[in-house]
Amino acid sequence: QITLKESGPTLVKPTQTLTLTCTFSGFSLSTSGVGVGWIRQPPGKALEWLALIYWNDDKRYSPSLKSRLTITKDTSKNQVVLTMTNMDPVDTATYYCAHRGYNWNFDYWGQGTLVTVSS
Amino acid sequence: DIQMTQSPSSLSASVGNRVTITCRASQSINIYLNWYQQKPGKAPKLLIYAASSLQSGVPSRFSGGGSGTAFTLTISSLQPEDFATYYCQQSYSTLYTFGGGTKVEIK
Repeated sequence: QITLKESGPTLVKPTQTLTLTCTFSGFSLSTSGVGVGWIRQPPGKALEWLALIYWNDDKRYSPSLKSRLTITKDTSKNQVVLTMTNMDPVDTATYYCAHRGYNWNFDYWGQGTLVTVSS
Repeated sequence: DIQMTQSPSSLSASVGNRVTITCRASQSINIYLNWYQQKPGKAPKLLIYAASSLQSGVPSRFSGGGSGTAFTLTISSLQPEDFATYYCQQSYSTLYTFGGGTKVEIK
């Protein structure tokens, strides 16, 4: 059974760096073909894909946010970490991590964590 | 970037109606198209992958079609639990993108 859960601060100040951790179980990020992605959703708005890390440490980022994002994995801890620098109120959103399956989709999602950016 | 455009952005329908949502890609994405359902306060749920393959456990009233740049999600007979927002997502490019969503509301 695959599960994922996001953790991190609920409130950050403008210009600060956000660090979110996705802790998962039921799969290994060292298995060929597997990936973990981050997706966010501002209140009342659409989903936005942010980043993806693969089993081979290949990384992909949204072009519009690439300069602010870093995704890393710790296979031994079953964790993926996303950092986003220079946070702004427009970055207020629910942040989800998700398992990227073999059919190039996000088949399992975490419950999401709401991050508010405010001074 | 590959842009994904959904239409309509919202629709009202009655229980039992047939509903079709359209998703268009800014370039050909073959069949690398997924559909998700999201209910308020919940994480998205995968419904359809590879344009027309039904995810395990998803009711057969959901179906997907299309290839290239034009895709559809059809609900053959809308049920009360289907009122939600639906998103398409392309995985042709390694830079995944989502559509803007279609909210299905009760008429």
